[in-house]
Amino acid sequence: QQQVKQSPQSLIVQKGGISIINCAYENTAFDYFPWYQQFPGKGPALLIAIRPDVSEKKEGRFTISFNKSAKQFSLHIMDSQPGDSATYFCAASKGQAGTALIFGKGTTLSVSS
Amino acid sequence: GAVVSQHPSWVICKSGTSVKIECRSLDFQATTMFWYRQFPKQSLMLMATSNEGSKATYEQGVEKDKFLINHASLTLSTLTVTSAHPEDSSFYICSVPGLERVEQFFGPGTRLTVL
Repeated sequence: QQQVKQSPQSLIVQKGGISIINCAYENTAFDYFPWYQQFPGKGPALLIAIRPDVSEKKEGRFTISFNKSAKQFSLHIMDSQPGDSATYFCAASKGQAGTALIFGKGTTLSVSS
Repeated sequence: GAVVSQHPSWVICKSGTSVKIECRSLDFQATTMFWYRQFPKQSLMLMATSNEGSKATYEQGVEKDKFLINHASLTLSTLTVTSAHPEDSSFYICSVPGLERVEQFFGPGTRLTVL
């Protein structure tokens, strides 16, 4: 049973465009939802995270939108740049100290110049 | 966020040998660390939770006798792959909770290739 479903699997966006990646979760006990960026051969880097008490969080060009009733959240990358080309993972956890993350399958983003 | 290091960054070994991977939290004391495995072009799968001073908690399907975890101090956890086989070849990554505790910060990963 896949607890966090991520789509699309791959995405091609032109430079300057908006990249949108979607995730859906099943476990209503989840209350912490981070996004990670991973470059080939590197460990994932935390980009931005949200808790269900807010519907949107923005940090620079990255925005998380959260829909608690639909159990969905998404990552928007504004003004996408070639340097944003990487694999993005959404994740979820129960938000307690010492709780492991459950990851989506990942989205490979390519930003063409 | 937390700064996490792993050693070695890559290792090649012969089938049947054991390999030890270190994960260090450089700026936080961590009573809990996590070990993940990532196969090429796949997602991260949690292998085990490493607990300082006590036994690790393994995920279903992960052989605890094959993947030995020792959390000897608040800054160091080790993963030993015993009697490694080619199917154990993977990218092993550890993570450490940050100051907010719910956040997790990942190490750079260790690429294991078993010949």
